[in-house]
Amino acid sequence: QVTLKESGPGILQPSQTLSLTCTFSGFSLSTYGMGVGWIRQPSGKGLEWLANIWWDDDKYYNPSLKNRLTISKDTSNNQAFLKITNVDTADTATYYCARFGPFDYWGQGVMVTVSS
Amino acid sequence: DVVLTQTPSTLSATIGQSVSISCRSSQSLLDSAGNTYLYWYLQRPGQSPQLLIYLVSNLGSGVPNRFSGSGSGTDFTLKISGVEAEDLGVYYCMQATHAPLTFGSGTKLEIK
Repeated sequence: QVTLKESGPGILQPSQTLSLTCTFSGFSLSTYGMGVGWIRQPSGKGLEWLANIWWDDDKYYNPSLKNRLTISKDTSNNQAFLKITNVDTADTATYYCARFGPFDYWGQGVMVTVSS
Repeated sequence: DVVLTQTPSTLSATIGQSVSISCRSSQSLLDSAGNTYLYWYLQRPGQSPQLLIYLVSNLGSGVPNRFSGSGSGTDFTLKISGVEAEDLGVYYCMQATHAPLTFGSGTKLEIK
């Protein structure tokens, strides 16, 4: 059974760095072809893809967020991570991680609010 | 970036009615190897999105066969043959042929 669960700080202030963790089970990021992605959704709005990481540590980012994103993984602990630097109110959203199948399994999402 | 235009933005249907959602891409989603990476997701109220259709026309695991996908190139359609109450929510198409991955703006299905 594949499950994913996101965790994060809940609330942070503008200019801080957002650190998100995706803890998953039922698959391994050391398995050929496996990947995990991050997607976000502002309240009442649509979905925006942010980044993917693959079993071979290949990484892809949405260029719209320029150089603010860093995705990484800890294969031994079945976790993937996303950092977003220099956040502002536009980064307020629910953040999802999903297995890249693509995105055949999703976590429940974690709400992040950026507010001063 | 590839723009996916979904129509209609809102759809109202009665139980048992068949409906279709269109997803048009700003460029062809057929890659040089002959693959078309077009997907459909449903996000029910208060829930995470779930995969319905992958690679244009393949049914996701556990997805009822009243859902079907079709299309090629730049034009794609999701059809629900006999809407049920549990089908309400927002439907999104997504393309993974061209970087960055992009989603359509969504189609909200309401049940009359």
